[in-house]
Amino acid sequence: EAGVAQSPRYKIIEKRQSVAFWCNPISGHATLYWYQQILGQGPKLLIQFQNNGVVDDSQLPKDRFSAERLKGVDSTLKIQPAKLEDSAVYLCASSLGRGGQETQYFGPGTRLLVL
Amino acid sequence: AQSVTQLDSHVSVSEGTPVLLRCNYSSSYSPSLFWYVQHPNKGLQLLLKYTSAATLVKGINGFEAEFKKSETSFHLTKPSAHMSDAAEYFCVVSDPEGTGKLIFGQGTTLQVKP
Repeated sequence: EAGVAQSPRYKIIEKRQSVAFWCNPISGHATLYWYQQILGQGPKLLIQFQNNGVVDDSQLPKDRFSAERLKGVDSTLKIQPAKLEDSAVYLCASSLGRGGQETQYFGPGTRLLVL
Repeated sequence: AQSVTQLDSHVSVSEGTPVLLRCNYSSSYSPSLFWYVQHPNKGLQLLLKYTSAATLVKGINGFEAEFKKSETSFHLTKPSAHMSDAAEYFCVVSDPEGTGKLIFGQGTTLQVKP
């Protein structure tokens, strides 16, 4: 079974530029998550989708971050404009259902460096 | 509100000796608890999870954890460390009746010396 795919794996941009990340979840998984992992910290949830609807985006900085999951499968996360403090690893995860007992499967992440 | 505290940011053991990674949680209800491992430049992998069944949970690669409600702890153990166990370990809590949002601890780096 193929895992969660993410691209690109690495990205270097200058502050105020824009960047987009892509995620393809495990086939059949209805729930998709984007996490931000700053160096030395645990991942923090940015946004959660159930199919193509948003379940939780309470910690997404909506003035600069946006995400979509148009057909309930792939998802993109965008940052515009980027700030230095956005340097982090962006992790995508998916799960079969929604709920606190579900196992989330993580992709390899996209490492972003903002200069 | 839920939270987890990993009591050690760095643990160093010798190969073949026991591993203990400590985790305390805070939750207003009986939580779901997980341990994830992250090897360098790789994604997070689930080691084990507790979801209110048996309090002693066995995971992959010989790891296990015990849920102790009275101590609000969920420590991770392994009888004998292997070099390949060197990685970052995260204790995670979730509301079993919630949306699936995971709350991660700060992580513990496990170093295994030959």
